[in-house]
Amino acid sequence: EAQVTQNPRYLITVTGKKLTVTCSQNMNHEYMSWYRQDPGLGLRQIYYSMNVEVTDKGDVPEGYKVSRKEKRNFPLILESPSPNQTSLYFCASRGRLENTEAFFGQGTRLTVV
Amino acid sequence: TQLLKQSPQFLSIQEGENLTVYCNSSSVFSSLQWYRQEPGEGPVLLVTVVTGGEVKKLKRLTFQFGDARKDSSLHITAAQPGDTGLYLCAGATDFGNEKLTFGTGTRLTIIP
Repeated sequence: EAQVTQNPRYLITVTGKKLTVTCSQNMNHEYMSWYRQDPGLGLRQIYYSMNVEVTDKGDVPEGYKVSRKEKRNFPLILESPSPNQTSLYFCASRGRLENTEAFFGQGTRLTVV
Repeated sequence: TQLLKQSPQFLSIQEGENLTVYCNSSSVFSSLQWYRQEPGEGPVLLVTVVTGGEVKKLKRLTFQFGDARKDSSLHITAAQPGDTGLYLCAGATDFGNEKLTFGTGTRLTIIP
């Protein structure tokens, strides 16, 4: 079954404690992205990757890091989380052809206290 | 940053009624996608429109891309409770580019 898997689904952490949210896709997609979803703001792109070792900033990259060492994995790293990073996070992947569908993970609800 | 503004932000109507959701921008997009998101899930693609003026139908849902490719609309005929969800439009500006800009969303509730 084609899917994007994020872990964990829920996470509560304290300010400043480094964390990683993992994302894996089994569709051999070139493109992967991380988004955060906040009420009234929709989905905002944090970082994206066009292929292995190729990443670029989205619209709200501050406070986040990513890596793409393998095609299937695209982890999101928060080196020093702060309360304003409390949000619902989605990982997505899609193929390289024009206008292809983005497949989303089920989301990670992060709370930073 | 390109912005995609959706209206209305919230819509609650009776089963059987018709409705239209709008997605507007001052930017031109090479393509525009509509997604539906249910609670606890990620968005799922409904349709992609590419050509200015294009109209696509998906059962009771009709999608239109504006002639200038800056706006789009989603019309639902005879809404059903299963249509309840968050509807998101998303625009792409360049082919081969992963920058996808999402709209602010319309939360639709269909009352049985």
